[in-house]
Amino acid sequence: NAGVMQNPRHLVRRRGQEARLRCSPMKGHSHVYWYRQLPEEGLKFMVYLQKENIIDESGMPKERFSAEFPKEGPSILRIQQVVRGDSAAYFCASSARAPSANTGELFFGEGSRLTVL
Amino acid sequence: GQQLNQSPQSMFIQEGEDVSMNCTSSSIFNTWLWYKQDPGEGPVLLIALYKAGELTSNGRLTAQFGITRKDSFLNISASIPSDVGIYFCAGREVTGNQFYFGTGTSLTVIP
Repeated sequence: NAGVMQNPRHLVRRRGQEARLRCSPMKGHSHVYWYRQLPEEGLKFMVYLQKENIIDESGMPKERFSAEFPKEGPSILRIQQVVRGDSAAYFCASSARAPSANTGELFFGEGSRLTVL
Repeated sequence: GQQLNQSPQSMFIQEGEDVSMNCTSSSIFNTWLWYKQDPGEGPVLLIALYKAGELTSNGRLTAQFGITRKDSFLNISASIPSDVGIYFCAGREVTGNQFYFGTGTSLTVIP
């Protein structure tokens, strides 16, 4: 029973390039969350998605960042025209239940570490 | 946004000692989760709490959902070297979608 799978584990981009981070949730999980973690800090919420829907993107920067979770395939976090401040670890988590169920646990992947040169 | 105050920020203890850490929020939560994160890895779920006053154990770990619903505690008994890492609390508001994370407690166990 595979856990949350993220790739790539490490990604290096030059300023102005695009970064695409992929996340496959645990089997049977249809709720996906993306978090960002800067060194020595906690995790900051970015976006919550269900299949084909963005439910809550209150933590996403207004520009350059987008996320999707298509009917088929992994969830994608896309960062356009990256800047040095985008360098961070990006974690995906999945859950089997919606937040309203009040019993949803979050299971995290190993993260994708983005370095912008 | 919501701020979770987690303390202590770091701990240096002798092997075999017990450890306590806590997390407080400014609003009422309906779920508390405790995670451990090793360097370069993702957070690993340790304990999940869903009811005020709930006390749950996982081996040498015990966590409690505070009765005010604004705090949670994690205790580790008889610490061992592999307990080293950063421990994070996470909580969700009653009508919220996201989990808010604490700033972490860095634990060092001295053999």
